[in-house]
Parts: sequence; structure tokens; C-alpha cells
Amino acid sequence: AQKVTQAQTEISVVEKEDVTLDCVYETRDTTYYLFWYKQPPSGELVFLIRRNSFDEQNEISGRYSWNFQKSTSSFNFTITASQVVDSAVYFCARSQGGKLIFGQGTELSVKP
Amino acid sequence: ETGVTQTPRHLVMGMTNKKSLKCEQHLGHNAMYWYKQSAKKPLELMFVYSLEERVENNSVPSRFSPECPNSSHLFLHLHTLQPEDSALYLCASSSGTSSYEQYFGPGTRLTVT
Repeated sequence: AQKVTQAQTEISVVEKEDVTLDCVYETRDTTYYLFWYKQPPSGELVFLIRRNSFDEQNEISGRYSWNFQKSTSSFNFTITASQVVDSAVYFCARSQGGKLIFGQGTELSVKP
Repeated sequence: ETGVTQTPRHLVMGMTNKKSLKCEQHLGHNAMYWYKQSAKKPLELMFVYSLEERVENNSVPSRFSPECPNSSHLFLHLHTLQPEDSALYLCASSSGTSSYEQYFGPGTRLTVT
């Protein structure tokens, strides 16, 4: 199976620290999409970003930024100046044949 | 109502009960999904419906039976479940099944006693 790996199971930071969540994927496809989702304690997965495999330009949205490197099959997510409300489980995913393959998730805890 | 809604939010059922989970999407999407999320495990895709037709069934036991009467509604009928079926069941929808982002509902927390 072509996996998505999030090696960091849990990360704990203090508010205002920057934090990077790692994601490495496997694929034999030439065209694919990558995603990040946030799952707060309420349970609902919130869509954050979708990135096309042909677009390696990094993206910034407020305190969030994403670094896509095709050469290393990585799609890392950085939160700048973290806040307590960022505490959640974050999932990376890759498209495959019309469905999403999810990583195991990284639980981020931001302490005040 | 907006987005994807799921009812009930919490459900406790015995192993001999029959119950149904309901999902409704208000996004005009034509694909809907059921996922199972157990503690400390990645999301497991259960079923995919595209244009009300089931296009994926990921070796799910027959005690789980999906139904998609139209593109806005998705049900998961449950009967004779096992305690290991206790999990968060998430519904999602998307514009299509090919590489589109999926939007998730809040989930139903199911406990089988």
C-alpha cells in the first residue's frame, strides 16, 4: 500500500512557539493531490489545504504555511506563533484512485 | 443548516439492537463517504457513494449496511454489532471522487455494549 506517514505522534509546545508537523507520502502516481485536515476535540475534521502535485510553490495562509517538496515526497505544515486554539489532531492525506489515504495523525498540544 | 450534518451525535446500543446513522450534506456535492475512526488508529474508509451509486466497499462486515437514497443523504444501518465496532463514525462529502477535498460532519460517537 502507498502510505502516508506522520512520524510525530504527539507534539507539545508552549504558546507563541513555531511548530512544524511532518508528512511523508509514497506514491507511484504522476498526478496526485495532498491535503491537510485539522480535527479539534469536537471531532469534526476541518479541511485546511489541497495541493496539486504539479504545484511545488509553498503556500502561506495567515499563521499557517505549507512546504511541498516532491524530491523528498514531503508536505510539511508549519504553524507560526502557535495558540492554544491550535491544539488538535492534524492529518495529512493523499489522493489515490478517487479516495483519500490518511496518515495516522499528529496530536498537537499548545500550552499557555 | 450548512455543511455536513450527522445524527445522532452519540449512540449507545446493545449487540442485538438495530440502529441507523444519518448524514446530510448541504453543499451540492455528488459524492459521500463513511469513515470509521477508532482510538489511536488512522481513519478507515468504509464506503464511497458517487451519484448515489456505491463505488467502494472496503471489506466492511455485513453488519454495516449503507444506503444513499439521494445525493444529499447517506445512512449507515447497524445490526448485531460487536464491542470492537465502538468508534467515531464520520461522514464526508465532496464534489467528486477524484482528488477533490472532502468536507466532514461532526461524527457519531458509537458505543456498543
